[in-house]
Amino acid sequence: SQKIEQNSEALNIQEGKTATLTCNYTNYSPAYLQWYRQDPGRGPVFLLLIRENEKEKRKERLKVTFDTTLKQSLFHITASQPADSATYLCALDRGYSSASKIIFGSGTRLSIRP
Amino acid sequence: GAVVSQHPSRVICKSGTSVKIECRSLDFQATTMFWYRQFPKKSLMLMATSNEGSKATYEQGVEKDKFLINHASLTLSTLTVTSAHPEDSSFYICSARGQGENGYTFGSGTRLTVV
Repeated sequence: SQKIEQNSEALNIQEGKTATLTCNYTNYSPAYLQWYRQDPGRGPVFLLLIRENEKEKRKERLKVTFDTTLKQSLFHITASQPADSATYLCALDRGYSSASKIIFGSGTRLSIRP
Repeated sequence: GAVVSQHPSRVICKSGTSVKIECRSLDFQATTMFWYRQFPKKSLMLMATSNEGSKATYEQGVEKDKFLINHASLTLSTLTVTSAHPEDSSFYICSARGQGENGYTFGSGTRLTVV
């Protein structure tokens, strides 16, 4: 069955360091991999999307890599700040069909300590 | 950018009553919306796909008579939890696919507590 795993349930790092979150998947061939941020009691907010034929994508302090051979994505936040503390979800998507549905990992709770 | 408005944000109801949750796409038309349920510290579980003008598609194990979905227009989908029980207490979230490479846009969620 399809499975998405995010390496750790929680990650605690010092402000200013780079946070690296991992997303692994099995039995799935995504066309896209997405990363979302979710704050407590709120819906997820879209951060970045990377296509299956892309290796890396950047947006400000965020960087995502996608290795379809390893079936893994890494999500990096550089120069981390306490405001980056949240739960980060990876999601797999098969395509742009309006009816295409995505599946989510269980998330990693990131805490940035001052 | 695309905005999805979800109401109410919190609702407390008595066992046996029904609760309706609304999800509106404010600045775009959404032929398809998705309804999720999320338990504390768990990921989003897709409940059903709401299709404008037709019946919703439910995921395995989700009772369609319990969770009624109506998608009567291109901007509004509703989820009604019928005859609610305490075990239905959860965080319910709707979403719609964004434009281009903008991922999915989610509502702010509804915290349902059944007492």
